[in-house]
Amino acid sequence: AQSVAQPEDQVNVAEGNPLTVKCTYSVSGNPYLFWYVQYPNRGLQFLLKYITGDNLVKGSYGFEAEFNKSQTSFHLKKPSALVSDSALYFCAVSYTLNDYKLSFGAGTTVTVRA
Amino acid sequence: EPEVTQTPSHQVTQMGQEVILRCVPISNHLYFYWYRQILGQKVEFLVSFYNNEISEKSEIFDDQFSVERPDGSNFTLKIRSTKLEDSAMYFCASITASEAFFGQGTRLTVV
Repeated sequence: AQSVAQPEDQVNVAEGNPLTVKCTYSVSGNPYLFWYVQYPNRGLQFLLKYITGDNLVKGSYGFEAEFNKSQTSFHLKKPSALVSDSALYFCAVSYTLNDYKLSFGAGTTVTVRA
Repeated sequence: EPEVTQTPSHQVTQMGQEVILRCVPISNHLYFYWYRQILGQKVEFLVSFYNNEISEKSEIFDDQFSVERPDGSNFTLKIRSTKLEDSAMYFCASITASEAFFGQGTRLTVV
């Protein structure tokens, strides 16, 4: 079955430092990979996705992610974190294009301290 | 930015009661999904809906669950006889070919 893993429950960084949120996926066909963010009392907000092409994907709010086929990873990155980036981040995968039957990771809580 | 609206934000119900969770998807979208997230667990796919019928459902989506779009705008999830284990956050998603827009969720608490 398709799945993703987010190995870290929590990530803590200081404002201005680089932020990385890790995600690995299970190999089963061609994965379509997504990152979503959830702020308190808000829905899941789309950040970015990888479908095909350039392995480095740029998304909303200065985030980017790199698709690494050899390591089956799709880590989310931001060069300089902001306090407002503190939220719950979800990685998700689908193995059918335009099918949003997504399989989500458990989520990673990011805390950016001032 | 387009928004998906879900009501209520929080619903408390007694075990065995029926609940209806409501979603107003983005107009002119044709694909709709329901997901749920039990506290501390992953977000799980429940059901997808297209052209006024279910296109796919998960093992979780048993006979106690139903979905419909009664008036062409609202998209509802009904749980006929709630169980304690139905307590979760339920998310509606409104889909285009390029993106899924999620609502803010309804927290269902079954007591």
